[in-house]
Amino acid sequence: LAKTTQPISMDSYEGQEVNITCSHNNIATNDYITWYQQFPSQGPRFIIQGYKTKVTNEVASLFIPADRKSSTLSLPRVSLSDTAVYYCLVGDTGRRALTFGSGTRLQVQP
Amino acid sequence: DAGVTQSPTHLIKTRGQQVTLRCSPKSGHDTVSWYQQALGQGPQFIFQYYEEEERQRGNFPDRFSGHQFPNYSSELNVNALLLGDSALYLCASSPWTADNYGYTFGSGTRLTVV
Repeated sequence: LAKTTQPISMDSYEGQEVNITCSHNNIATNDYITWYQQFPSQGPRFIIQGYKTKVTNEVASLFIPADRKSSTLSLPRVSLSDTAVYYCLVGDTGRRALTFGSGTRLQVQP
Repeated sequence: DAGVTQSPTHLIKTRGQQVTLRCSPKSGHDTVSWYQQALGQGPQFIFQYYEEEERQRGNFPDRFSGHQFPNYSSELNVNALLLGDSALYLCASSPWTADNYGYTFGSGTRLTVV
């Protein structure tokens, strides 16, 4: 499984756009990139998944360059409720065990 | 549509005891995975069940065992509890036949071993 590297923590203010970048230099051809969000004392929640280029849903956007060695999760106009840990995962199918790193702890200030 | 349900939400056990945690998957999901999350760490994969069989297993000792029932619900058993087993235990479900599908996690069971 491809190893991922992401910042340990980030700070932002309400209303700002937040971009969290994840590096995955050894990503395999069949691997997808998936992001999860976790609030304290809750399980991770699936946010977005992509293979290449750009994916957008009602929560976030995911930007993946052509070489796929990195990806950026973009959260538009964050609010206090977006304070959470964000995990970047790389893997080939939904059946495989998920490998979580330590994630990025996002703190949104008023 | 109920999501993943785990019970109990909190549990305190004494070192050396045995514990059983329970999980009901999201409706329509037939695959259940268990994860252990220590404080400040990401979840670590324990094992996965499909068709009542263990399909994958992470780097956990045999003290950790599981079961899946015909209705797809699952149990996680931990024997001879150690202080280091204190963690949030998460259950995740997904459809076996779906590729690249996001898992649905429960809120977990907080196990404290004293």
